[in-house]
Amino acid sequence: EVQLVESGGGLVQPGGSLRLSCAASGFAFNTYAMNWVRQAPGKGLEWISYIRSGGDYTHYTDSVKGRLTISRDNAKNSLYLQMNSLRAEDTAVYYCTSGGGGIWGQGTRVTVSS
Amino acid sequence: DVMMTQSPLSLPVTLGQAASISCRSFQSLVHSDGNTYLNWFQQRPGQSPRRLIYKVSERDSGVPDRFSGSGSGTDFTLKISRVEAEDVGVYYCMQGTHWPLTFGQGTKVEI
Repeated sequence: EVQLVESGGGLVQPGGSLRLSCAASGFAFNTYAMNWVRQAPGKGLEWISYIRSGGDYTHYTDSVKGRLTISRDNAKNSLYLQMNSLRAEDTAVYYCTSGGGGIWGQGTRVTVSS
Repeated sequence: DVMMTQSPLSLPVTLGQAASISCRSFQSLVHSDGNTYLNWFQQRPGQSPRRLIYKVSERDSGVPDRFSGSGSGTDFTLKISRVEAEDVGVYYCMQGTHWPLTFGQGTKVEI
């Protein structure tokens, strides 16, 4: 079964850090580009980061540049999002998705609050 | 950023009737490789998004053929030929041609 499973979300104080993980199974993860997409409570979808299949190219939306870092370990079929200097506006459900959006995980919730 | 504008934002529908959602971009979505990277996603209540259509009109595996996508350049449409109860949810268009990737605001389809 093709599957993406996110983990690592939780409650964190403003200025804090979290590391999200996404475990892939059922498909050739090392051949797929991957994205992180987030959805703030009651809001729409927002793309935030992309990584090429080999991990050699990344791209970010402006609001997260310098604070969030996408990475992957193809040997472990895993995608990551290191989140630093978190702000209240980063509160959202974070989804990992395949490059074209054909595969989505169930999401992991991040709440930034004191 | 390429802004994606959907209309309507709310779409009351009648079971068995057709429905249509428009998505417009402020720049052409034709990529330098000749493809147009315009996708449509469905998000049912409480669920993750699911891709229905990619590259304007290509239907994903398992997507009922009552869903169809059309358009070119800057104007795109998602059509549901005969709405069923399971089609309730929010529909998003998304462009994958220009950085940053951007979504439309979403269209809420309700019976």
